[in-house]
Amino acid sequence: DTGVSQDPRHKITKRGQNVTFRCDPISEHNRLYWYRQTLGQGPEFLTYFQNEAQLEKSRLLSDRFSAERPKGSFSTLEIQRTEQGDSAMYLCASSSTLGVSNRVYEQYFGPGTRLTVT
Amino acid sequence: AQTVTQSQPEMSVQEAETVTLSCTYDTSESDYYLFWYKQPPSRQMILVIRQEAYKQQNATENRFSVNFQKAAKSFSLKISDSQLGDAAMYFCAYRAFQGAQKLVFGQGTRLTINP
Repeated sequence: DTGVSQDPRHKITKRGQNVTFRCDPISEHNRLYWYRQTLGQGPEFLTYFQNEAQLEKSRLLSDRFSAERPKGSFSTLEIQRTEQGDSAMYLCASSSTLGVSNRVYEQYFGPGTRLTVT
Repeated sequence: AQTVTQSQPEMSVQEAETVTLSCTYDTSESDYYLFWYKQPPSRQMILVIRQEAYKQQNATENRFSVNFQKAAKSFSLKISDSQLGDAAMYFCAYRAFQGAQKLVFGQGTRLTINP
């Protein structure tokens, strides 16, 4: 198991373009989270999935943002009509609530995708 | 809504010395988790230590320990025998026991280790 992976690691796009990021969680992890981290700040929750169901979305997630997790495996985060304010690091994390005797359900983070909108 | 505050944007310590990073939080819940995460310059977030609110005993992990004061809603991280590899951004985070269990992060403290 190589941990959570994200692709691409860096993305530069022009304002108004659409971008899509991918996250591959740790195998068998049923929960997947997306966070956004702007420079000098802590990550902020965007949305999360339990298996393929998107169960909660932050108010930070405007209508231009959409996330999917088909078949409960990898996830994609799409931003339409990007704006300069979308420039940030997008972090993915996964956790498992299956067969875990304690309640901690630790979240493991990927390396992130750094988005720059010019 | 829960909030987490880290009042020290930057801290520095001499190698081999001890440093304490502060964190306060606000919640109306009685059962929750608190975490310290480390984010090195490579930017992958790594869990350093966790504390379950119902446990009175402070968590320890090798050179890392916490001072958890539930009534004061304070959760500080102590790093003993600081090493150059400890240099990173440190984030305090809160997580509810129920629901989405999303992490709520503080603003972070940048820790510099002076050789």
